[in-house]
Amino acid sequence: GENVEQHPSTLSVQEGDSAVIKCTYSDSASNYFPWYKQELGKRPQLIIDIRSNVGEKKDQRIAVTLNKTAKHFSLHITETQPEDSAVYFCAATDRGSTLGRLYFGRGTQLTVWP
Amino acid sequence: SAVISQKPSRDICQRGTSLTIQCQVDSQVTMMFWYRQQPGQSLTLIATANQGSEATYESGFVIDKFPISRPNLTFSTLTVSNMSPEDSSIYLCSVGEGEAQYFGPGTRLTVL
Repeated sequence: GENVEQHPSTLSVQEGDSAVIKCTYSDSASNYFPWYKQELGKRPQLIIDIRSNVGEKKDQRIAVTLNKTAKHFSLHITETQPEDSAVYFCAATDRGSTLGRLYFGRGTQLTVWP
Repeated sequence: SAVISQKPSRDICQRGTSLTIQCQVDSQVTMMFWYRQQPGQSLTLIATANQGSEATYESGFVIDKFPISRPNLTFSTLTVSNMSPEDSSIYLCSVGEGEAQYFGPGTRLTVL
């Protein structure tokens, strides 16, 4: 099955700086890559996703890039704010699979210092 | 996205007992999933709840320990049976809408 690796496990940045979280995947059949943000005590929330036919997607201060050849994708947060502090999870799946299951990375604890 | 609710939100149980967690969605969805999240850890898929047929369990999870029901397209239950302290965790249901998945608020279970 799919194996998703996520780095770093913890990331501390100063408010206003950028943060980058990287993930790699093993299954070349994976074609959908969502990112979730989980604040303490809350449910994971889908914040952005990308499909394998797209190299980059942006939504305000958040962007995701995908390199299919290298099998890695990254989350970029610009102009970070303290409310960006949370655990971020990447995931991968094969949309064509009837199982529809997501394979998650281990998560990155992002702390943004004011 | 669909509105997903879970009951109970939290519970403290004695070892050897069972707890049934409910997941309700405000619209019909084809795919429903049950995850476990231990403190500080990632999300581990327990099973896919299939409407009208038996759930599909992931490696390491068995029906006798985690029986699942899916009577219709808006509701599912997960039972944690014969609980031990190792079952203390957050249990989350999620639903598939197209390719995206959305999570319920979770049930925090503590087993003493």
